[in-house]
Amino acid sequence: DAGITQSPRHKVTETGTPVTLRCHQTENHRYMYWYRQDPGHGLRLIHYSYGVKDTDKGEVSDGYSVSRSKTEDFLLTLESATSSQTSVYFCAISEDGQNQPQHFGDGTRLSIL
Amino acid sequence: DQQVKQNSPSLSVQEGRISILNCDYTNSMFDYFLWYKKYPAEGPTFLISISSIKDKNEDGRFTVFLNKSAKHLSLHIVPSQPGDSAVYFCAASGYGGATNKLIFGTGTLLAVQP
Repeated sequence: DAGITQSPRHKVTETGTPVTLRCHQTENHRYMYWYRQDPGHGLRLIHYSYGVKDTDKGEVSDGYSVSRSKTEDFLLTLESATSSQTSVYFCAISEDGQNQPQHFGDGTRLSIL
Repeated sequence: DQQVKQNSPSLSVQEGRISILNCDYTNSMFDYFLWYKKYPAEGPTFLISISSIKDKNEDGRFTVFLNKSAKHLSLHIVPSQPGDSAVYFCAASGYGGATNKLIFGTGTLLAVQP
């Protein structure tokens, strides 16, 4: 299994509060990704990173920001959480970006009340 | 608009028989396709992939077929085992040169009956 750790695994918080999810990898892979999974939508890309301090938007980036200050860590921040951001969030990694599989962590279940 | 579609939300198969999971896509620019398996409370696990220059790829009990003219791919599992019971996602990449951005289907829940 790819060395990917997501924390926390579960979180319940209130609307309007800031939330940060962490993804940590031990594979030294260049690319890291954040997805959300919702019923009827499969997985959708939020943001991704192609190197330290290099990030770009995905399909559903509104309301989210990311940071990558070290190769091994990729943070996803919800500046002011809304109920529509209740979801399961997955981090993924890949060695490079050239048509290759991404490997996923076990997810963070986030509930915003 | 869903660019990658899995029209069957669920599928039930007897142990030992073949499972066939289907996936359709709308954009002919996709050039790399993948299948993932997902158990509850775990992340998706990569199963098998295929490049658009091929029409078949095999790995043990898993075979993926790609029909570019029909914009259709399928995953065959032979023989099916109870441990194969999971949600299966197909995914595609390569649209607009975005080789690292995966577009996922909505998943098919496979139940393999003992």
